[in-house]
Amino acid sequence: ETGVTQTPRHLVMGMTNKKSLKCEQHLGHNAMYWYKQSAKKPLELMFVYSLEERVENNSVPSRFSPECPNSSHLFLHLHTLQPEDSALYLCASSQDSGNPNEQFFGPGTRLTVL
Amino acid sequence: AQKVTQAQTEISVVEKEDVTLDCVYETRDTTYYLFWYKQPPSGELVFLIRRNSFDEQNEISGRYSWNFQKSTSSFNFTITASQVVDSAVYFCALSDSTGANSKLTFGKGITLSVRP
Repeated sequence: ETGVTQTPRHLVMGMTNKKSLKCEQHLGHNAMYWYKQSAKKPLELMFVYSLEERVENNSVPSRFSPECPNSSHLFLHLHTLQPEDSALYLCASSQDSGNPNEQFFGPGTRLTVL
Repeated sequence: AQKVTQAQTEISVVEKEDVTLDCVYETRDTTYYLFWYKQPPSGELVFLIRRNSFDEQNEISGRYSWNFQKSTSSFNFTITASQVVDSAVYFCALSDSTGANSKLTFGKGITLSVRP
């Protein structure tokens, strides 16, 4: 059983909809990440949160809005998305310490934008 | 800038064959970390191994082995006596520092299909 859960697992939305993806980690980690995985492309890091503060924002369009209310939860709020935003969105967590960055991933949310 | 190249995109083997997945990386840092992850059809990436740049010893874990060659900037992954359950997408990744502020740069992944 994974220590990182994501809901929903599948989401279909229209371009005018507003939805949110949720990630929860049960590992006691203090860093969390959002990645986008499109077909035939490397995983793209979107956002990094460390101790609930955003430390990385990789030029992600504003139609994606992350929220990290505490170290166990991470959200990705979506609004006015485009069809090219259809992808697998993966959440990960890690322990922000002196050790190398082993990240634990959730199963992802498969997003389809119509 | 960091870069990870997985030149093979798809590999298909018959069960019990050995298979090697290639990974070549680029970085200007002297301290870095290399990773392999497995992504089964269920979607989540499963951590397989982490290796730091100062440790060039090869590692073996059951049917899995890794060959780190700093001279050629490669970190190849071999599965011995492959099984159907090994079918997945395998990602090589590179991190340039420690902690949450480090970035994992992923390759495009290699889709491995193991046929019975």
